Order: sequence, then structure tokens, then C-alpha cells
Amino acid sequence: NAGVTQTPKFRVLKTGQSMTLLCAQDMNHEYMYWYRQDPGMGLRLIHYSVGEGTTAKGEVPDGYNVSRLKKQNFLLGLESAAPSQTSVYFCASRTGTSEETQYFGPGTRLLVL
Amino acid sequence: AQSVTQLGSHVSVSEGALVLLRCNYSSSVPPYLFWYVQYPNQGLQLLLKYTSAATLVKGINGFEAEFKKSETSFHLTKPSAHMRDAAEYFCAVSSLDTGRRALTFGSGTRLQVQP
Repeated sequence: NAGVTQTPKFRVLKTGQSMTLLCAQDMNHEYMYWYRQDPGMGLRLIHYSVGEGTTAKGEVPDGYNVSRLKKQNFLLGLESAAPSQTSVYFCASRTGTSEETQYFGPGTRLLVL
Repeated sequence: AQSVTQLGSHVSVSEGALVLLRCNYSSSVPPYLFWYVQYPNQGLQLLLKYTSAATLVKGINGFEAEFKKSETSFHLTKPSAHMRDAAEYFCAVSSLDTGRRALTFGSGTRLQVQP
């Protein structure tokens, strides 16, 4: 049981390049989330999904797109990277019951030059 | 809207001393509250959570937190700090939006433990 995994662990992009971050969970969780972590700001919600085939915007969605084609995977895309998207990205998942605990992946560190 | 305030971005204690990390929340309905810990270059790990059962919640690694509705607080404590407790700690409240149940995080408190 690997829990929540994220790939890649680290990436350097040039401004304007695109990339996709992959999140996978093997806990059969319904809900999945993408957060970004910036110094002194905690974690902020980018997008989330309440089930396979669904996605919705969080607090800071601009410049990102997501897809949830399979229940176990949640992809975060950057269409045209900007230096302001330099951050650490965390994926999380939880069950669809009243259990509130979110389980986090190890994070992806992204540097946009 | 919900919010979480963590007082003190950095806290330094001596090994063996009391740890007190402060968290105040804003919520118009009874919240679910969480403390997560993040060790360097790792993801977030749940320390403990309050879900409207006992107001004093015990977590892993000897930490506990007390929910005080009158003070809208959920402070994290540990009687005796250990070097391995050095990490960043985040307080979070569960979203009022039952559809997404996302977490709203405080800005974090970095705990240093001096030998």
C-alpha cells in the first residue's frame, strides 16, 4: 500500500513551457486535491475532484488545469509555466465518507525560470 | 469564509521544555480541526484531529490539542520537546462546503528544538 504518490519529485521549467504532474493513490479514495505550498502562506487549494470524471476549481486555479479520468489518478497541468508558479505542489486524497482525514503525497518541487 | 491563524511563524524551545503552538480559527459552524506536521522535504502527516467528540485530543508522538469553542482555539502542546520534533506544523480547518471538504491551512509554525 503506497498511499499517495507524486511524480516527478523535482522539475525545472523555462517560462512558457508546459508540464503535467501526476498524482496516484491506491486507497480507493473518492476525493482528490491539489495544493500549492509557498513560504509563509501555508497550503492553498488549486483544484479538486469529488470522483472519477469530475473536477472543480479551488482558491488559486488560474494557470492550471486538471483531469481525473481514472479514480486513482489526478493530473495537474501547467499550460504555459510562469515564474509565479514556482512552488511545492502537494496532492491529497480522502474517502467519500464522513472521515475527514486527508492523506498527502510527498510533494513535487517546481522551479520556473 | 473560514480562516486559520497561527501565532508565531517560528518557535524555539529547549529539549525537554514544553511545546505550545497556537492556532485560532474562524468558522460559523462547528468545525473539524487538524494539526499536520511536515518534516524537511517531506509531505504532511496527520498529528491529530478534532471532530466534535472529546475536546482534548491526543495524537501521535506525544502531542495533544484542546478545542476551546469560547476562545475559537485549538492549540497544540507537548509536555517535553525532543530533537526529532523539529519540523513545521500546520493547523487546518475543514471546509464548510460539504461538497469538497477541502482544508484551509494556517501559515505554519516552524519549531526549533535546541539541545
